Amino acid sequence: QKEVEQNSGPLSVPEGAIASLNCTYSDRGSQSFFWYRQYSGKSPELIMFIYSNGDKEDGRFTAQLNKASQYVSLLIRDSQPSDSATYLCAVNGLSGGYNKLIFGAGTRLAVHP
Amino acid sequence: DAGVTQSPTHLIKTRGQHVTLRCSPISGHKSVSWYQQVLGQGPQFIFQYYEKEERGRGNFPDRFSARQFPNYSSELNVNALLLGDSALYLCASSPGQGLETQYFGPGTRLLVL
Repeated sequence: QKEVEQNSGPLSVPEGAIASLNCTYSDRGSQSFFWYRQYSGKSPELIMFIYSNGDKEDGRFTAQLNKASQYVSLLIRDSQPSDSATYLCAVNGLSGGYNKLIFGAGTRLAVHP
Repeated sequence: DAGVTQSPTHLIKTRGQHVTLRCSPISGHKSVSWYQQVLGQGPQFIFQYYEKEERGRGNFPDRFSARQFPNYSSELNVNALLLGDSALYLCASSPGQGLETQYFGPGTRLLVL
């Protein structure tokens, strides 16, 4: 079982729709959870992070965390063609003061006009 | 302000050789992390250094080593290169030990022949 799993996609949504990206993780001790966006040929850029169960909103983005189900999701409202990218979920299993950040393989999102 | 810089941008080596990659963090950032990203996969965490001490380590062999200098810049060294080491090597910096505000550099693309 992979430590962080994401559907590779592509996830295709029409412009203006809600895109829903999902991620599951295997380490119950994981403490912090991140969503990154990576355009083709570019470096990842942080969208948002979440620590606590529930929702966290930032503009058009909402991260949702359910530690009991070991599940993290990212919702993108009013999707735009410029949101077309690969979305990476990352999980940090901080242990003894040491970070160990594990990325999923990413989900490709395609927003079509 | 300058972002994270990495050098060189591209590098070609042959099997068995050694390589050194360099990273300069954003001014004021004291933590540097290194990642390996193979095409089609998410970044894999190699090391984190904070205040010149190792504060995180991924599942990489001892051929991989790193260090951080007093000015917080960092080097990643890989010995006895294998074909499988061909990848994009990303450096990221953050102000403190936490990874919540981590900014990635453009990466060094390494090809091992």
